[in-house]
Amino acid sequence: GEEVAQTPKHLVRGEGQKAKLYCAPIKGHSYVFWYQQVLKNEFKFLISFQNENVFDETGMPKERFSAKCLPNSPCSLEIQATKLEDSAVYFCASSHRGQVNTEAFFGQGTRLTVV
Amino acid sequence: DQQVKQNSPSLSVQEGRISILNCDYTNSMFDYFLWYKKYPAEGPTFLISISSIKDKNEDGRFTVFLNKSAKHLSLHIVPSQPGDSAVYFCAASGTGNTPLVFGKGTRLSVIA
Repeated sequence: GEEVAQTPKHLVRGEGQKAKLYCAPIKGHSYVFWYQQVLKNEFKFLISFQNENVFDETGMPKERFSAKCLPNSPCSLEIQATKLEDSAVYFCASSHRGQVNTEAFFGQGTRLTVV
Repeated sequence: DQQVKQNSPSLSVQEGRISILNCDYTNSMFDYFLWYKKYPAEGPTFLISISSIKDKNEDGRFTVFLNKSAKHLSLHIVPSQPGDSAVYFCAASGTGNTPLVFGKGTRLSVIA
């Protein structure tokens, strides 16, 4: 597709439940990034993929968070046993293959509310 | 420790005048800088970028200036239009597909 597609737009989970977010990058982009934006604050980098391989996971919380980018499937970000502090907008972005320092294109985000 | 700082949370400008949004960074390894514009309930949209080998990049009404010695960049919008009202994020990265580091954003209001 010509845009980064994130689903769902909104997700409400009770504390302790699992949350799963999806992202379809722009066709031809081989890098995918996940960011978390809490309370309209700055974007916190979580993890990036180069195709289906984890490229950089330095921002990923050690527990409860996992992510995958499998061939022919949307990428996913999963949060096990959600906590109130996980409430945020989660943005996915993708960028071109093989280009150094290129802009990332963002999806519209998934707003996760943990109650 | 914030590596990219946007010290003005908000800015109000009259339509037709110049808007100047500022951004400072601390990491000297950053060599690529971008500005994103964000409307409510939407993802950030890429606006303009600049590589560290340049000190200015222009695209229509938007110009980004980079002062490497001061670790400072600015976005100029002239003339400002009501449709420019949004939150503007400054972002920076090092070489390769390293993740962008974002500032906290500046909310620009252009008043007609």
